[in-house]
Amino acid sequence: DAMVIQNPRYQVTQFGKPVTLSCSQTLNHNVMYWYQQKSSQAPKLLFHYYDKDFNNEADTPDNFQSRRPNTSFCFLDIRSPGLGDAAMYLCATSRDMRGSSTFGSGTRLTVV
Amino acid sequence: DQQVKQNSPSLSVQEGRISILNCDYTNSMFDYFLWYKKYPAEGPTFLISISSIKDKNEDGRFTVFLNKSAKHLSLHIVPSQPGDSAVYFCAYFGNEKLTFGTGTRLTIIP
Repeated sequence: DAMVIQNPRYQVTQFGKPVTLSCSQTLNHNVMYWYQQKSSQAPKLLFHYYDKDFNNEADTPDNFQSRRPNTSFCFLDIRSPGLGDAAMYLCATSRDMRGSSTFGSGTRLTVV
Repeated sequence: DQQVKQNSPSLSVQEGRISILNCDYTNSMFDYFLWYKKYPAEGPTFLISISSIKDKNEDGRFTVFLNKSAKHLSLHIVPSQPGDSAVYFCAYFGNEKLTFGTGTRLTIIP
């Protein structure tokens, strides 16, 4: 089945230690998104790629970076995780900027 | 900036009855709204959408109503089934991105 896969499902990292979350898709969608969702809050868009074009949300901290080496893969890099970065990170894809998005199952990040 | 508000964090409904989930928004300019459903430990799944030119959209047991004068939309589930127990997010699509509400946890009581 075509899908969006996030690895790992659970990630524990140390305060200040760089961490990378990964997302892959078999849908061949043009757009890939990263969202951050904290407990009982709405998912918040961090950034997205339309093909190779990167679009950062204005309020996304500099600590968060992303890479999309090819159509299928997209990575979220957190350079120096703080305790406040503990959250569920959701990857999503869509065919274009007007379609509904398909989400992965998320990676729950814990910072210790 | 558009905001979407889901003022009820939780809702319990008896199996077989109607579930009504509500969402309010602040900005009259939008492209369309979507509803997503989320089970624990899974990502949100797209359920149904409605564009700004419509006031109703139906898909099986799910109907979304849009009241533009009140800046309000609602999702009706009839009849409610145990598998409908999940968190439901209202989301607005505009400015090339989705903006989500905080969600309503729906529990269907057998």
